Amino acid sequence: QKEVEQDPGPLSVPEGAIVSLNCTYSNSAFQYFMWYRQYSRKGPELLMYTYSSGNKEDGRFTAQVDKSSKYISLFIRDSQPSDSATYLCAMRWNKLIFGAGTRLAVHP
Amino acid sequence: GAVVSQHPSWVICKSGTSVKIECRSLDFQATTMFWYRQFPKQSLMLMATSNEGSKATYEQGVEKDKFLINHASLTLSTLTVTSAHPEDSSFYICSASMDRESEAFFGQGTRLTVV
Repeated sequence: QKEVEQDPGPLSVPEGAIVSLNCTYSNSAFQYFMWYRQYSRKGPELLMYTYSSGNKEDGRFTAQVDKSSKYISLFIRDSQPSDSATYLCAMRWNKLIFGAGTRLAVHP
Repeated sequence: GAVVSQHPSWVICKSGTSVKIECRSLDFQATTMFWYRQFPKQSLMLMATSNEGSKATYEQGVEKDKFLINHASLTLSTLTVTSAHPEDSSFYICSASMDRESEAFFGQGTRLTVV
C-alpha cells in the first residue's frame, strides 16, 4: 500500500464548477499537509498548508483535513481555465511525501 | 511565498560524466532540503532528505554513491549525479524548508538529459 493515495484523473470540468480533489494516507505520523499546483515542466507551487484537522480557506481554495479518517481534500470554487494543472497533495513528518497528482482540465 | 532557486534549469551531458545541480534558498534559511526525481506524467519521487550539516538520508533504492548530496550551508544544497547514464535522464527538483514543521518551497527543477 502506498503511503499516500491520490486519483490521477484526469478530471475535466466546465468553467465555474466546484472542483474537489482528495487524498488518503496510511501513516498516522504525518503531521503537516500541503497542496501544490504544478504546470508542465515546472516546479510545484505551494497552494495550501495545514497542520490540524478542519478547514482552511484562501480565496477560491479551501483545504480540509480529517486526521481521524486520514483524508484530505482541496476544493476550488469558481474554477477557471487557468486552474488547469496537476494538483499534488503532500504530507510531512521527517520526509515530505507526495501523492500521484490529479490532472485537472477546466474548459471554457 | 519564499523563493528557492535551482540551477541549471536544463543540462545535457555525455554518458559517464558528472553533473552538479544547485539549490539555493534566497530569502530564508533552510534547515532541511529535499531532492526529488520526476518522470513524465508521474509524481515526485523522494530521493533524499538533507539537513544542514548532516549526511543526507536516502530513500530505499537510491544509490548514495551515484547521487551525492551536500548541504553545507543553510542556503545551499547540491546534488551531483556521478557517472551519468541515459537512464538518469529525468527532471530533478529540490525543495527547501525552514524547519521540520514548516511548509516546503520548490525550485524550478532541472531537466537532465544524458546522451
